[in-house]
Amino acid sequence: SAVISQKPSRDICQRGTSLTIQCQVDSQVTMMFWYRQQPGQSLTLIATANQGSEATYESGFVIDKFPISRPNLTFSTLTVSNMSPEDSSIYLCSVEPGKGEQFFGPGTRLTVL
Amino acid sequence: AQKVTQAQTEISVVEKEDVTLDCVYETRDTTYYLFWYKQPPSGELVFLIRRNSFDEQNEISGRYSWNFQKSTSSFNFTITASQVVDSAVYFCALSDVYSGAGSYQLTFGKGTKLSVIP
Repeated sequence: SAVISQKPSRDICQRGTSLTIQCQVDSQVTMMFWYRQQPGQSLTLIATANQGSEATYESGFVIDKFPISRPNLTFSTLTVSNMSPEDSSIYLCSVEPGKGEQFFGPGTRLTVL
Repeated sequence: AQKVTQAQTEISVVEKEDVTLDCVYETRDTTYYLFWYKQPPSGELVFLIRRNSFDEQNEISGRYSWNFQKSTSSFNFTITASQVVDSAVYFCALSDVYSGAGSYQLTFGKGTKLSVIP
């Protein structure tokens, strides 16, 4: 298994500002995933982050809005830029250590006023 | 494109009743993985099970059991003798898109909210 931590656990932000979410894993993993869960909804994949290369974004998500860094095999950040109330969601990172079980971090609850 | 349907939005049962959560999936791939996750009110996602497309054996883990049927593209989840602690949102997910380095990204269903009433 993998133990994943995220910072911050929650935040309340003003419209137009940006927030960077950190994801730390207790083991080295090649791929990390970022998901968004809007209130009362399911999880939607934002992007896949491979260490040493640009993140791959899903349809509807762009790098300018959700820039991702992946500086090493245990860490990644997701920035939510120029936030609006529609960005209020839970943001989760996940990893698949290689045995097919995908583990999720505790999530970051973001509220945009 | 891959798709996961959980037709039951919300289910309420009385404690000790059995309950089955339905999951139907669509994929064009012959190799894929199916998952169930539990999301309690605290919000974290708890991994419950992973099943690959070549293994149709049903699985039992304590009060939990899973019925995988490729003929109907279903992967249903049954909780026997439900308990209040089972109250949560349960997500079924499909993994058939290879992201590289041995990893697959997940497509989630919309989830089923289970409420177990004491």
